[in-house]
Amino acid sequence: ETGVTQSPTHLIKTRGQQVTLRCSSQSGHNTVSWYQQALGQGPQFIFQYYREEENGRGNFPPRFSGLQFPNYSSELNVNALELDDSALYLCASSAVGVSQETQYFGPGTRLLVL
Amino acid sequence: GDSVTQMEGPVTLSEEAFLTINCTYTATGYPSLFWYVQYPGEGLQLLLKATKADDKGSNKGFEATYRKETTSFHLEKGSVQVSDSAVYFCALSVGTGNQFYFGTGTSLTVIP
Repeated sequence: ETGVTQSPTHLIKTRGQQVTLRCSSQSGHNTVSWYQQALGQGPQFIFQYYREEENGRGNFPPRFSGLQFPNYSSELNVNALELDDSALYLCASSAVGVSQETQYFGPGTRLLVL
Repeated sequence: GDSVTQMEGPVTLSEEAFLTINCTYTATGYPSLFWYVQYPGEGLQLLLKATKADDKGSNKGFEATYRKETTSFHLEKGSVQVSDSAVYFCALSVGTGNQFYFGTGTSLTVIP
């Protein structure tokens, strides 16, 4: 059984650019959630995807968008990058149809916006 | 709204000392409660969880009891080791959306 994987591990962008982060969920999981973790803070929920549809969203602007694919992998896209978008972006997967189920996290992608 | 409040750190303990990290929550429904641990440069790993009142989660010598009357889920370990040095996050999940709310994290350093 493979765990949650994310790519790339690190990324440097400049303000105004766009970025795409990728996540492969753990085997048997079809729900993916994305979190932003600023330095010294806890993860903040961005959104969740279930069966390729957005299934809940946190307090993030529309320039944060996502996709989920038929194989349950997922992308997080951020447009018009701002300096405050610099953070660790975490992807987590969980089992189908089970609320309050444990989420399993990937190692994260560290994004630096200059 | 739903939220978690954690004891602020950093916490520094000597090896074999007793550890308590306080966590209280606010939730509109009946949450599940979790402790996650983050080692330097890594993602979050589940440490333990409890899904209903009075449940005790335990793993690797760590324990936490779901206390509905005090809305708390304090993390404890009787004898910490250097390898326990990490950041610990309390979290809750409530409702059908399985959205997690995390505390701000407590950094623990254990010295030999």
